[in-house]
Amino acid sequence: KAGVTQTPRYLIKTRGQQVTLSCSPISGHRSVSWYQQTPGQGLQFLFEYFSETQRNKGNFPGRFSGRQFSNSRSEMNVSTLELGDSALYLCASSLGLAGGVGTYNEQFFGPGTRLTVL
Amino acid sequence: AQSVSQHNHHVILSEAASLELGCNYSYGGTVNLFWYVQYPGQHLQLLLKYFSGDPLVKGIKGFEAEFIKSKFSFNLRKPSVQWSDTAEYFCAVNAATNAGKSTFGDGTTLTVKP
Repeated sequence: KAGVTQTPRYLIKTRGQQVTLSCSPISGHRSVSWYQQTPGQGLQFLFEYFSETQRNKGNFPGRFSGRQFSNSRSEMNVSTLELGDSALYLCASSLGLAGGVGTYNEQFFGPGTRLTVL
Repeated sequence: AQSVSQHNHHVILSEAASLELGCNYSYGGTVNLFWYVQYPGQHLQLLLKYFSGDPLVKGIKGFEAEFIKSKFSFNLRKPSVQWSDTAEYFCAVNAATNAGKSTFGDGTTLTVKP
């Protein structure tokens, strides 16, 4: 079974630009969550999508957005990039069944996209 | 709101020493608990997880953790560390009813000296 894949693996952008990151979950997984990892702030939750709907949202500005497609693949977009957006962006997938327990709640992480904003 | 606190930011041990990394969480409901490891230059890997049942859980590479509900703790242990255990370790929690949103601790960097 293929794991979570993220593309691209590395990105370099300049301030003010926008960027789109992609995540393909494990086959059969319907929940995709996004996290930002930085040395200063650690791992912070961005948002979660389930069946094409945003189900959870973290405390990030509106410049950060996402969407999920019918095949569960997800994209996140960051507009008007700032230097502080430089980070490793991680995607995690799970079965995500509402009210599910046990292995339904286990998240599997992708390798991340390293975004550098100059 | 959930929160996770990891007690040690940086731990340095010699090979064969025993390891215990502390993790406390704050949440009023039923939780799922995880420890992840991130080796230098690699992505996040699951070490072990607790959903329910036996509070002592065993994971990969000889790691184990004990869930103590009364103390809101989920400490990670390993009897004898190896140089290859040098990595960053993260404790994470999510609510059993809202598992798509995990809260992570700040991480503990473990350095094992050969």
